[in-house]
Amino acid sequence: RKEVEQDPGPFNVPEGATVAFNCTYSNSASQSFFWYRQDCRKEPKLLMSVYSSGNEDGRFTAQLNRASQYISLLIRDSKLSDSATYLCVVNRQTGANNLFFGTGTRLTVIP
Amino acid sequence: EAGVTQFPSHSVIEKGQTVTLRCDPISGHDNLYWYRRVMGKEIKFLLHFVKESKQDESGMPNNRFLAERTGGTYSTLKVQPAELEDSGVYFCASSAYSREGQYFGPGTRLTVL
Repeated sequence: RKEVEQDPGPFNVPEGATVAFNCTYSNSASQSFFWYRQDCRKEPKLLMSVYSSGNEDGRFTAQLNRASQYISLLIRDSKLSDSATYLCVVNRQTGANNLFFGTGTRLTVIP
Repeated sequence: EAGVTQFPSHSVIEKGQTVTLRCDPISGHDNLYWYRRVMGKEIKFLLHFVKESKQDESGMPNNRFLAERTGGTYSTLKVQPAELEDSGVYFCASSAYSREGQYFGPGTRLTVL
């Protein structure tokens, strides 16, 4: 079973729409959680960390449910520039400090 | 502040040859990581340095891969001899502290023919 599972999409949404991505992680020892954004043929860029209390950064809201081992990302008022692949990433940190990546969810925002 | 840099951006070599990839982390970042993305798969961890010490190399595929970080600054990843299945994008990342998100370099796209 993969460490991190994501729906690969693609998600095609009109400008201004709200879109939500979800992912699940398999290891309950996971300690840190992140969303990264990756543009085509570019490196992953840290979008935001995800905390148990939930956190918001502008149009982006991330939520973590430890009991269900589930992470979400909500994008409000989608912009064309939001088109990218969104990677769900977890860090186990107990004995290992490496990141485990999902395969990513592709988002295209349509004019 | 300069980000993580990697060299070369692309490398095309023949099976059996040797290739060395270089990564310069963000200045002051003690933690340096190597990852690899093989086509169609997710990004996977290779190894983690804390300063010049290998903290975790559990993701290294086999002994054809050798990573070094002499002096705790830049790091190199050597593949010798390269095989076809080594093709992919090799990313380097760094962080100041182990519990924070990591910052990725642009990657080196390696093609083994």
